[in-house]
Order: sequence, then structure tokens, then C-alpha cells
Amino acid sequence: QKEVEQNSGPLSVPEGAIASLNCTYSDRGSQSFFWYRQYSGKSPELIMSIYSNGDKEDGRFTAQLNKASQYVSLLIRDSQPSDSATYLCAVNGNTGGFKTIFGAGTRLFVKA
Amino acid sequence: ETGVTQTPRHLVMGMTNKKSLKCEQHLGHNAMYWYKQSAKKPLELMFVYSLEERVENNSVPSRFSPECPNSSHLFLHLHTLQPEDSALYLCASSQDSHQPQHFGDGTRLSIL
Repeated sequence: QKEVEQNSGPLSVPEGAIASLNCTYSDRGSQSFFWYRQYSGKSPELIMSIYSNGDKEDGRFTAQLNKASQYVSLLIRDSQPSDSATYLCAVNGNTGGFKTIFGAGTRLFVKA
Repeated sequence: ETGVTQTPRHLVMGMTNKKSLKCEQHLGHNAMYWYKQSAKKPLELMFVYSLEERVENNSVPSRFSPECPNSSHLFLHLHTLQPEDSALYLCASSQDSHQPQHFGDGTRLSIL
């Protein structure tokens, strides 16, 4: 079983729609959860971080965390063509440790 | 300069060459990371340094040798690499183990 799993996609949504990206993880002791966006040929950039159960909103982005279900998601409202990228879910699995596990990423296409 | 800077951006080397990748962070962070990103694979953590001490060594072959002379600089020394080592090598930094990581632009490495 992969430690951090994401649907590889591609996920295609029309401009203005809500894009929903999902991620599951295997380590119940995980403490920190991150979503990164990576454009083709570029390095990952942080979109959201979340540390406790529930929702966290930042502009058009909402991260949702459910530790009981070992599930974290990212919602992108009013999707724009510029949101087209690969979205990486990352999980820090150890209390006090530095080992961050990345998922393989979900490719998102937003059609104009 | 701000952020995380990596040099060189591109590197082509033969299997018998010795080269080094350099990373510098201007964020005042305490931890620095090396990742390998191959096509269609998740980011693979290679090494982590916290306050100049190596805290993670993710079963990386000895032909990769990291060095962290101070909290702002990180090197990856390369020796006798294999064609399968061709990849994008990313450096990142973070304030601590629970904070998000900031990535450099990466070094695209090609082994002939």
C-alpha cells in the first residue's frame, strides 16, 4: 500500500467550476498536511497547509482534513485555466520527524 | 536574493565524472532537504539536515554524498552516477519539521 495516494487524473473541469482533489494516507500518526501546486517544468509551490480536523479556507482554496478517515482534500472554487497544474499532497508522518511523504500528484485541466 | 536558489539549473555529465549541486536558502530556515523527482514518480526524499546535522538518509546510494556546511548552504556531491539517476533534483528548506517546505527551481541532471 502506498503511503500517500492520489488519483493521477487527469481531472478535467470547465472554467468556473469547483475542482475537488483527494488524498489518502496510511500513517495514523501523521501531524502535518500540505497541498502543493507544480506547473510543468517548475518546482512545487505551497498552496495550503492544514494541521487539525475540519476545513481551512484561503481565497478560492479550501483544504479539508479528516484524521479518522485518513483523508485530506483540496477544493478549488471558480476554477481558472491558470489553475491547470499537478497538485501534490504531502504528509509529515512522524511526530517531530522530518520525513515528508509526497503523493504522485493529480493533474488538473481547467477548460476555458 | 530571496527564497531558495539552486545551481546549476542544468547539468549533463558522464558516468565517471564528479560534480556537485549547490543550494542556498535566504529564509533563515533551520532544515534543508534534497529530493529526486523522476518522470511519473512521486517526489523522493533523499536527505534532510536540521541545524547542520543529517537527520534523514532515505537509503540513498553512496554515489550521492550530501554536505551541509552551515544552515544556509547544502551540497549534493555526485560521483559515478548511473543513467537511472537522470532526474530533477530539488532542494527545499523549512523552519521546522511541521512547517511547509519552500523549494528551489531544481537542477535538471542528465547522465550520459
